[in-house]
Amino acid sequence: SQQGEEDPQALSIQEGENATMNCSYKTSINNLQWYRQNSGRGLVHLILIRSNEREKHSGRLRVTLDTSKKSSSLLITASRAADTASYFCATDRDNFNKFYFGSGTKLNVKP
Amino acid sequence: GAGVSQTPSNKVTEKGKYVELRCDPISGHTALYWYRQSLGQGPEFLIYFQGTGAADDSGLPNDRFFAVRPEGSVSTLKIQRTERGDSAVYLCASSRGEAGGETQYFGPGTRLLVL
Repeated sequence: SQQGEEDPQALSIQEGENATMNCSYKTSINNLQWYRQNSGRGLVHLILIRSNEREKHSGRLRVTLDTSKKSSSLLITASRAADTASYFCATDRDNFNKFYFGSGTKLNVKP
Repeated sequence: GAGVSQTPSNKVTEKGKYVELRCDPISGHTALYWYRQSLGQGPEFLIYFQGTGAADDSGLPNDRFFAVRPEGSVSTLKIQRTERGDSAVYLCASSRGEAGGETQYFGPGTRLLVL
């Protein structure tokens, strides 16, 4: 069964706007990672945040983690048409190496 | 190669047939993972190898599914007596295998269609 769930399921914005996606999970985790997937094929790793971290940045990406609420958010600033993809959060739980993925947020950035 | 590679890219088979899906991990990565992704869903864990041994195969749905990694590098996922419900994208990933919580690097996947 899936551990994480992303919200919203779909998001459509204009180029230049910010996109925020949320991920909620059910049990304690060690790490949470965000991935991007284009056209239903391979996943590209975006960012990893550990359970003792609250915020991480990477370029136009900002990830927050609130372990008390069991939630994380991914913010993409100044979005581009090339950001159009599905975004997944992945959590580990009882096993560092076993990832649980949500159903993803489908982001559409209109030029 | 620089990344994880998977062959074939696409596989069409008939119900009841046997298929093998291959994964070439990043050179030097000791950990290898298989996931299955159905349309509109996120990947679901199948099995994880550390070296040659399956460290966790709890995600394999039934005994028709089997995976091997005999030399600790290339892995093959084997599906016997395929069913239409096995149709999905099968994703392979690898990581260094040095510590927990590492980034897993994914291949492009094999799209399996069972007619």
